Amino acid sequence: NAGVTQTPKFQVLKTGQSMTLQCAQDMNHEYMSWYRQDPGMGLRLIHYSVGAGITDQGEVPNGYNVSRSTTEDFPLRLLSAAPSQTSVYFCASNGGGGYGYTFGSGTRLTVV
Amino acid sequence: GENVEQHPSTLSVQEGDSAVIKCTYSDSASNYFPWYKQELGKRPQLIIDIRSNVGEKKDQRIAVTLNKTAKHFSLHITETQPEDSAVYFCAASGDDYKLSFGAGTTVTVRA
Repeated sequence: NAGVTQTPKFQVLKTGQSMTLQCAQDMNHEYMSWYRQDPGMGLRLIHYSVGAGITDQGEVPNGYNVSRSTTEDFPLRLLSAAPSQTSVYFCASNGGGGYGYTFGSGTRLTVV
Repeated sequence: GENVEQHPSTLSVQEGDSAVIKCTYSDSASNYFPWYKQELGKRPQLIIDIRSNVGEKKDQRIAVTLNKTAKHFSLHITETQPEDSAVYFCAASGDDYKLSFGAGTTVTVRA
């Protein structure tokens, strides 16, 4: 099993550009989440999903969209990138049943 | 939503001493409390977790305690070693698996 795979690992965007951060898991996990990590602020939840076709907002959803058309994939879309979205983004998945989230390796995004 | 507060933000300990990190949570419906360790440039990794029907859990040199009444939980690391140096995050969630994290504690183990 590859676990949780995130692409790309690094990305530089110009202000106003859009892009999609990819996340895929091969563990048949129901629950998937996107977090952003900024220095001194821990991991803040952007969006999460409890299954295919079901998504919900987290703590900091503005400027981001998600969809969950399959169990495996949970892409995060930046609609119009802003410098405030410079961060490290982590995708994570959880199969339920009392086990914790497994994290991907992260995407380091810089918006200039 | 859930609010998790974590203290201290930095902790420096002598090798061999113990380290304690404390967290509080706000939502009484939260019933799952994991701890993650993140080394520099790496992803967070689960090191131990506890459910609300348990007061304490141990795994070798790490232990977690939970006080549901006071809504706080703590991570204890005994006999610290240099490889314990990392950022540690506490988190909380309920049956919705919506996991909220504390701001993190940077632990430095001095040789």
